[in-house]
Amino acid sequence: DAMVIQNPRYQVTQFGKPVTLSCSQTLNHNVMYWYQQKSSQAPKLLFHYYDKDFNNEADTPDNFQSRRPNTSFCFLDIRSPGLGDAAMYLCATSPGTHQPQHFGDGTRLSIL
Amino acid sequence: DAKTTQPTSMDCAEGRAANLPCNHSTISGNEYVYWYRQIHSQGPQYIIHGLKNNETNEMASLIITEDRKSSTLILPHATLRDTAVYYCIVRLDNDMRFGAGTRLTVKP
Repeated sequence: DAMVIQNPRYQVTQFGKPVTLSCSQTLNHNVMYWYQQKSSQAPKLLFHYYDKDFNNEADTPDNFQSRRPNTSFCFLDIRSPGLGDAAMYLCATSPGTHQPQHFGDGTRLSIL
Repeated sequence: DAKTTQPTSMDCAEGRAANLPCNHSTISGNEYVYWYRQIHSQGPQYIIHGLKNNETNEMASLIITEDRKSSTLILPHATLRDTAVYYCIVRLDNDMRFGAGTRLTVKP
């Protein structure tokens, strides 16, 4: 059974139109992460939540925001998607800082 | 930038051991070595991790050199389903930086 769930698997949005990607977990893990993976590249960490504490990577564009309303859910908001934001977006969780991360299968975002 | 260097690609015969090397010459004393793999169209999957000692689990073995500047992931009996990109990551805390990884192809 999937423990980190990302829906939908494929999302299409228009250039400049805000889009929200969702992630839920059944593991009750404290930490949730969002990664961006462009075609033929490795995943790149955007930000993470440790409980309610938000931690942004220094080079994450301001266009990307995140919300974590409760332990189980975390959202990635892209305020004004550009063509360069087309990518696979991966959500991951871990119990704590020095522990393995469990990944979802991602949402592939396309920009028209 | 990633702190690891891995071969771009490797082949392995089905049923044989796959040995994937990783160099991490700038690793610091409290950084862990993690291995993940990513099968096409799926999220990365955790394999194993270690600090100083060699580690083994149901998926693989991790051999870390005494000076900790390199490590080897061993899949003892590779199957076709082990074909994937394998990432070696040096990790201190939540900052997990993926390098380019090694594309392992297991052939019949």
